[in-house]
Amino acid sequence: DTAVSQTPKYLVTQMGNDKSIKCEQNLGHDTMYWYKQDSKKFLKIMFSYNNKELIINETVPNRFSPKSPDKAHLNLHINSLELGDSAVYFCASSHALPGGSGRTDTQYFGPGTRLTVL
Amino acid sequence: AQTVTQSQPEMSVQEAETVTLSCTYDTSESDYYLFWYKQPPSRQMILVIRQEAYKQQNATENRFSVNFQKAAKSFSLKISDSQLGDAAMYFCAYRSPRGSQGNLIFGKGTKLSVKP
Repeated sequence: DTAVSQTPKYLVTQMGNDKSIKCEQNLGHDTMYWYKQDSKKFLKIMFSYNNKELIINETVPNRFSPKSPDKAHLNLHINSLELGDSAVYFCASSHALPGGSGRTDTQYFGPGTRLTVL
Repeated sequence: AQTVTQSQPEMSVQEAETVTLSCTYDTSESDYYLFWYKQPPSRQMILVIRQEAYKQQNATENRFSVNFQKAAKSFSLKISDSQLGDAAMYFCAYRSPRGSQGNLIFGKGTKLSVKP
């Protein structure tokens, strides 16, 4: 069974469009994340959610908005897409709050979504 | 702010040989976690090994082991008996246990090639 899944795996769209990427985890984790991997393979955190509350919000454009309908899902909405948004977007999940009890907080990643903006 | 540095953009190893990938990090915290992730051409991010900073013993997972030098802020990955399937990008990552710093901070990666 897939632990962290993302749809779609590939997304090609025109500048100015609005798109969403879905993420689901079946690990029972309580924290989910979105990372962006640029063309140079550099990975950087975008958002994380715990119990439907945004707990990390890095300096990303407000065209990007995470939405979590429940603990198992964290979707990424992107408005007015720009060329520079082309990247691979990874969803991840973990079992503990980032600032939690000291349990090892391993993040498990989805397969990634390659977004290409034309 | 914490930073992670991988000084080797690319490495190559002969099949069945041993290779070590370097990683250094900068932090003022005493408690944290360190990880190595593997990203093969399939793009999937796969956890290879993890280390808690409070543990002095180096983590080991089968053919993968780390050399964790806390004072030197070094966290290298050793791959023994390299296999063709080990060819991938390897990312070193740091995570603080505290508050809004709980996200992973990644190095820029090392591309490992395995020669038959």
